[in-house]
Amino acid sequence: GQQLNQSPQSMFIQEGEDVSMNCTSSSIFNTWLWYKQDPGEGPVLLIALYKAGELTSNGRLTAQFGITRKDSFLNISASIPSDVGIYFCASDRDDKIIFGKGTRLHILP
Amino acid sequence: SAVISQKPSRDICQRGTSLTIQCQVDSQVTMMFWYRQQPGQSLTLIATANQGSEATYESGFVIDKFPISRPNLTFSTLTVSNMSPEDSSIYLCSAEGASESHEQFFGPGTRLTVL
Repeated sequence: GQQLNQSPQSMFIQEGEDVSMNCTSSSIFNTWLWYKQDPGEGPVLLIALYKAGELTSNGRLTAQFGITRKDSFLNISASIPSDVGIYFCASDRDDKIIFGKGTRLHILP
Repeated sequence: SAVISQKPSRDICQRGTSLTIQCQVDSQVTMMFWYRQQPGQSLTLIATANQGSEATYESGFVIDKFPISRPNLTFSTLTVSNMSPEDSSIYLCSAEGASESHEQFFGPGTRLTVL
């Protein structure tokens, strides 16, 4: 079936480092969404992408919709402690969205 | 974006009982959804809550176990029936933003523990 393969599963970085994570699939999608989930909270939408090749920024976050429409990446520049959390990619399937398994970001003091 | 609230935020329940979770959106929305998130896992769609008709359930989820109501465009409930410890999870409500945008906004979740 249509699955979103998200990597890496987890990351341990130093504060101030840049972060890159990605999401791939064997299927073509029309939408890529990136969410962040803090402990005890629901996911919060960070960036939405709707066009192949589209590159969108939201503050220190940048995401791109892959040209093949089968992948997307999310970059975080100059990480800060509040970036800790789980990042999910998501995409549309039959008027619903499906989620990747998430990338858990840890920031070392 | 829509602001979504859920009640209760958490509960501890006995095996065999049922719990109804409420979801309130601050604006009228067409599409509302219910998800389950096991600890440390991703989100799994339970069903689409349709206003004025029966919910549409995903494979592996049935109406008898997870009855859903959607009486209007701002409110929905999910009931977890005849609970067992395997139902311990976070249950999340979401609503779609602009029509056909596929952007979904989530409530804070209800953390359910079944003893």
